[in-house]
Amino acid sequence: KQEVTQIPAALSVPEGENLVLNCSFTDSAIYNLQWFRQDPGKGLTSLLLIQSSQREQTSGRLNASLDKSSGRSTLYIAASQPGDSATYLCAVSRGETSGSRLTFGEGTQLTVNP
Amino acid sequence: GAGVSQSPRYKVTKRGQDVALRCDPISGHVSLYWYRQALGQGPEFLTYFNYEAQQDKSGLPNDRFSAERPEGSISTLTIQRTEQRDSAMYRCASSSFAGQGAGETQYFGPGTRLLVL
Repeated sequence: KQEVTQIPAALSVPEGENLVLNCSFTDSAIYNLQWFRQDPGKGLTSLLLIQSSQREQTSGRLNASLDKSSGRSTLYIAASQPGDSATYLCAVSRGETSGSRLTFGEGTQLTVNP
Repeated sequence: GAGVSQSPRYKVTKRGQDVALRCDPISGHVSLYWYRQALGQGPEFLTYFNYEAQQDKSGLPNDRFSAERPEGSISTLTIQRTEQRDSAMYRCASSSFAGQGAGETQYFGPGTRLLVL
């Protein structure tokens, strides 16, 4: 059974810092990995999707890397802003007979202090 | 529509009552997923559809839970004889491709917060 772990569970940083969120998964037979952002009272917003054949994806100040063989992914946020405060979720897709059902980690709650 | 919508946004019910949660996916999206999220946890898979066909219901916790998508668009998740442990956020997501994990992004709705008293 796939298990996804995110470290740290919570993180508080001053505005402007660069930071890294970590995600690990136990079964390397994944099809893709997604990073989501969750804001209170709102749905999940997809930030980046990395196919299993890719090593990284970038979007603005966000960069996600994937090391499938070691079962690890990192989300790098550059020059953090208070608006980045949210819970960040990592999810992997097995992509076999169960389509693209996602297995999520428990999330990292990020607070960026002005 | 512009995004995935869910209704109601909040539902308070008494133990033993049945509830029906609705999901309206992005227009034209083939795949539709249901997840359940407890406070402080990540979402957990319940079931998913390609078009009107339920492809996997292995995540449904017991036979009180069922889902349908009769015309391949709107979906309803029904919980019969609700129990307090069913209290959670129920999230729906849709994606454009009915693939074998083709790598499509899932777009999530705002969720329905269910509270069973």
